[in-house]
Amino acid sequence: GAVVSQHPSRVICKSGTSVKIECRSLDFQATTMFWYRQFPKQSLMLMATSNEGSKATYEQGVEKDKFLINHASLTLSTLTVTSAHPEDSSFYICSAREKDVAYGYTFGSGTRLTVV
Amino acid sequence: SQKIEQNSEALNIQEGKTATLTCNYTNYSPAYLQWYRQDPGRGPVFLLLIRENEKEKRKERLKVTFDTTLKQSLFHITASQPADSATYLCAPGGNNRLAFGKGNQVVVIP
Repeated sequence: GAVVSQHPSRVICKSGTSVKIECRSLDFQATTMFWYRQFPKQSLMLMATSNEGSKATYEQGVEKDKFLINHASLTLSTLTVTSAHPEDSSFYICSAREKDVAYGYTFGSGTRLTVV
Repeated sequence: SQKIEQNSEALNIQEGKTATLTCNYTNYSPAYLQWYRQDPGRGPVFLLLIRENEKEKRKERLKVTFDTTLKQSLFHITASQPADSATYLCAPGGNNRLAFGKGNQVVVIP
């Protein structure tokens, strides 16, 4: 089945630095990828829709200058958390779809970001 | 604005019984609705998709209904097992956007 690889799985960074998270679709092309954030015991919140070759579509309330999304190829989307602060500490996860929507979306394993 | 409502309080159910979860949505006209399962610390896993012209869909011990008039989907786990304990998420589909409700947490008690 479809596999979405996400790296790193865990990252600890200092406040004020930037962190890049990669989301790769393995063996399939994804023109669209979704990025989510999940705080402990909270729901999965859609942050943005990443579109290959064009600008990402951000959800209301998500700062596009803080969460930079680059979907430069059909197999790779990146999320960069710029000038990270402790409140950005969260679980970030991406998803993509290989086939018809009837087969659902495949999610990466997630990235646990801790900002100290 | 679009809203997806699920009861995020845990549903405790005895093993062997049927768990029924509800997903209501507003300001959506979905062509389909998806259900996913999420375990703690992991990404969601796709379970089922039901289209607007389907009343019911089954997969093994799972059954999903979709009522576009009520704007509601019901998700049933029959003969529940402790391994079914997880959070179940619904996602009304369409418009190239995949958003989820808060999820229904299920705890199956042996």
